[in-house]
Amino acid sequence: RKEVEQDPGPFNVPEGATVAFNCTYSNSASQSFFWYRQDCRKEPKLLMSVYSSGNEDGRFTAQLNRASQYISLLIRDSKLSDSATYLCVVNKGGGNQFYFGTGTSLTVIP
Amino acid sequence: DAGVIQSPRHEVTEMGQEVTLRCKPISGHDYLFWYRQTMMRGLELLIYFNNNVPIDDSGMPEDRFSAKMPNASFSTLKIQPSEPRDSAVYFCASSFARAGNEQFFGPGTRLTVL
Repeated sequence: RKEVEQDPGPFNVPEGATVAFNCTYSNSASQSFFWYRQDCRKEPKLLMSVYSSGNEDGRFTAQLNRASQYISLLIRDSKLSDSATYLCVVNKGGGNQFYFGTGTSLTVIP
Repeated sequence: DAGVIQSPRHEVTEMGQEVTLRCKPISGHDYLFWYRQTMMRGLELLIYFNNNVPIDDSGMPEDRFSAKMPNASFSTLKIQPSEPRDSAVYFCASSFARAGNEQFFGPGTRLTVL
């Protein structure tokens, strides 16, 4: 079983739509969780960390369910510039090593 | 502030040749990671260093791959001999001590082995 699993998509949504991505992880000892964004032919960049209480950054909301080992990312009022691949990231047992999901592709259509 | 620097950005070589990829981490970062990304397998960790010491190289595919970090500001990933299945984008990333801290990625080296 993969350490981190994501629905690869693609998700094609109209501008202004709300879209949600989900991710599950297998290591119950993981302590740090992130969403990274990767644009086409670019490097991954941190979008936001995911905290136990859930957190919001503008149009982006991340949530963590430790009991179900599940992470989500919600994007409201989608913009064309949100088109990218979103990577779910989990650390290995509390350490500095990360496991990356294979990514969920999002295309926002005018 | 300079980010992670990688060179070359693109490399095209023939099967059997030696390939050396280079990385300069962000100054002050004490963790350095080498990743490989392909469409089929996504982003895979190859090896990582802490304070220039290799900590986990279990992701290195085989003996043809080797990595070094002679000092805090430089690391290399070498493939010898290269094979077509090594074609991928190789990313270097660095981070600071606190466990689970953000990893900053370099722009990657796009390797094509013919």
